[in-house]
Amino acid sequence: AAGVIQSPRHLIKEKRETATLKCYPIPRHDTVYWYQQGPGQDPQFLISFYEKMQSDKGSIPDRFSAQQFSDYHSELNMSSLELGDSALYFCASSLSVGRGRTGELFFGEGSRLTVL
Amino acid sequence: AQKITQTQPGMFVQEKEAVTLDCTYDTSDPSYGLFWYKQPSSGEMIFLIYQGSYDQQNATEGRYSLNFQKARKSANLVISASQLGDSAMYFCAMREGPEQGGSEKLVFGKGTKLTVNP
Repeated sequence: AAGVIQSPRHLIKEKRETATLKCYPIPRHDTVYWYQQGPGQDPQFLISFYEKMQSDKGSIPDRFSAQQFSDYHSELNMSSLELGDSALYFCASSLSVGRGRTGELFFGEGSRLTVL
Repeated sequence: AQKITQTQPGMFVQEKEAVTLDCTYDTSDPSYGLFWYKQPSSGEMIFLIYQGSYDQQNATEGRYSLNFQKARKSANLVISASQLGDSAMYFCAMREGPEQGGSEKLVFGKGTKLTVNP
């Protein structure tokens, strides 16, 4: 079965540079989530999209932006990178809860960003 | 306030024995879902088991079972017959609220690192 695809898997950037992460959700899933997981931390919710519209926002810095495109893939753009942005960035997708569905999030393998 | 509390930063278990990982949650919403995810050292997040707030029975998935005590607001994960491959971080997570498209994010606990000894 198709899973959530994230690219790149690893990314090394310098401070103040820009990075873009891509996510391809599971086909027919209607919601995409972005999470940030710092070293030794739990995943922190950044932002979500439902049917290509931003639906919820968490602790996403103003330097970050995201969007979901017509083909349902999503991109997380990070500018003016700081050392503290070094983390594992997860994209997850789901089908909305309802009709017996649990709303389980299916995670991609993550994109590991290192800022030097 | 922390919505998901996992009080055990680390746990050790002997291979083939059972282990319980604790999780308590805080919500005033009558409708919510509880999840457990496994994160091996490779980093991916693997869904293990789900319990809905209205489910009458404890969830089970193979060697995983969820000890759901609603009045105590706890949702402990029980792993039976531990295997070396079970060594990983385990996260408890909660989804609050009724079904609303796109507002169903999960909130995670701090995690428990499980080590299975041979």
